[in-house]
Amino acid sequence: DTGVSQNPRHKITKRGQNVTFRCDPISEHNRLYWYRQTLGQGPEFLTYFQNEAQLEKSRLLSDRFSAERPKGSFSTLEIQRTEQGDSAMYLCASSLGGIGAYEQYFGPGTRLTVT
Amino acid sequence: AQSVAQPEDQVNVAEGNPLTVKCTYSVSGNPYLFWYVQYPNRGLQFLLKYITGDNLVKGSYGFEAEFNKSQTSFHLKKPSALVSDSALYFCAVRGQNRDDKIIFGKGTRLHILP
Repeated sequence: DTGVSQNPRHKITKRGQNVTFRCDPISEHNRLYWYRQTLGQGPEFLTYFQNEAQLEKSRLLSDRFSAERPKGSFSTLEIQRTEQGDSAMYLCASSLGGIGAYEQYFGPGTRLTVT
Repeated sequence: AQSVAQPEDQVNVAEGNPLTVKCTYSVSGNPYLFWYVQYPNRGLQFLLKYITGDNLVKGSYGFEAEFNKSQTSFHLKKPSALVSDSALYFCAVRGQNRDDKIIFGKGTRLHILP
């Protein structure tokens, strides 16, 4: 399968713990996005990378959230000191980047439950 | 700033009837526009996109979308709905600048009634 993969698929954690999610994009895609989706809502933009450079981070994202894409391939999203409001589906998507109408390909998501 | 509006939370259509899911957008300059579908417990799937040229774009599963620049709209359509089309549909937009990102609408739930 050469699609976007995300691990883990589900994560249950206690409030205050740190969690880390991983995304492996389609190999030839240089752009990688992280979104958060809550029930019945559209994907909410968190951050995105062009290769290893983080180009933008949502102003809605608190300092507890950090993302990396160290070699321009896979990416990790870390949430420190989790809160119940962090419970959501975290989606990763990849695409070709730059000038052009490149559609995104989404992974299955990581569902986070903070108890 | 880019934005997308999907004014209907839910659309109900009888099977066999035509369907329309509405989307309007705001972006600096010319837009790239997309429609995605999400089935229960599945990831988002790309349906179609508008780049330039013909205002009527055809996509997967018999869906099409009409770009209207003067109304800044990109409505999703299908001539004859199927029960299996029932899902959550998202409109998305990005500008044509190199570093522009894709912004999604909040989604419209489509119910096709047998």
